Amino acid sequence: AQRVTQPEKLLSVFKGAPVELKCNYSYSGSPELFWYVQYSRQRLQLLLRHISRESIKGFTADLNKGETSFHLKKPFAQEEDSAMYYCARPSNAGNMLTFGGGTRLMVKP
Amino acid sequence: DTAVSQTPKYLVTQMGNDKSIKCEQNLGHDTMYWYKQDSKKFLKIMFSYNNKELIINETVPNRFSPKSPDKAHLNLHINSLELGDSAVYFCASFSGNYLHFGNGTRLTVT
Repeated sequence: AQRVTQPEKLLSVFKGAPVELKCNYSYSGSPELFWYVQYSRQRLQLLLRHISRESIKGFTADLNKGETSFHLKKPFAQEEDSAMYYCARPSNAGNMLTFGGGTRLMVKP
Repeated sequence: DTAVSQTPKYLVTQMGNDKSIKCEQNLGHDTMYWYKQDSKKFLKIMFSYNNKELIINETVPNRFSPKSPDKAHLNLHINSLELGDSAVYFCASFSGNYLHFGNGTRLTVT
């Protein structure tokens, strides 16, 4: 089964500090990976996907096949970045997304 | 226009009751899901339907019964509610490896 692991349940940083949310996946050829974000009491929404190689709200994520990682990074965290972040990948059958356990990012003023 | 809409947004009920949560999507997707987000924020899939047909049932107690009258709707009915059912339930539709989530229904069982 495809696995996604987010080793940190909580990450607390000060405003302006760099942030890195870790995501590791079980090896499987060329995976497709996503980061979803959930702001307080809102719906989960797609933040970015590795295929598009874009930067959204200052966040980037690079797929590292050697380390089987897809860490989410931002050089200068803002208070409005405080949220739950989920790393996800499609299942083998491609008919669902499997999520990591989530990391709560708290950005302190 | 809300792509995936769930009702109600909040649901507070007593143990033993039966309740339903409704979900509708206007994206024309064939596949819909129910996810459960527990108090620790773990997000776990419960069910998936493709064009009104059940394709995934992730060892959910049979007190939970999804119903899909058409491919735009996937409702969740829960019998004999228990305290442990308290959670946020998210409906989602799926296309091209991309999930569109509803706003969630916060269920509190007292």
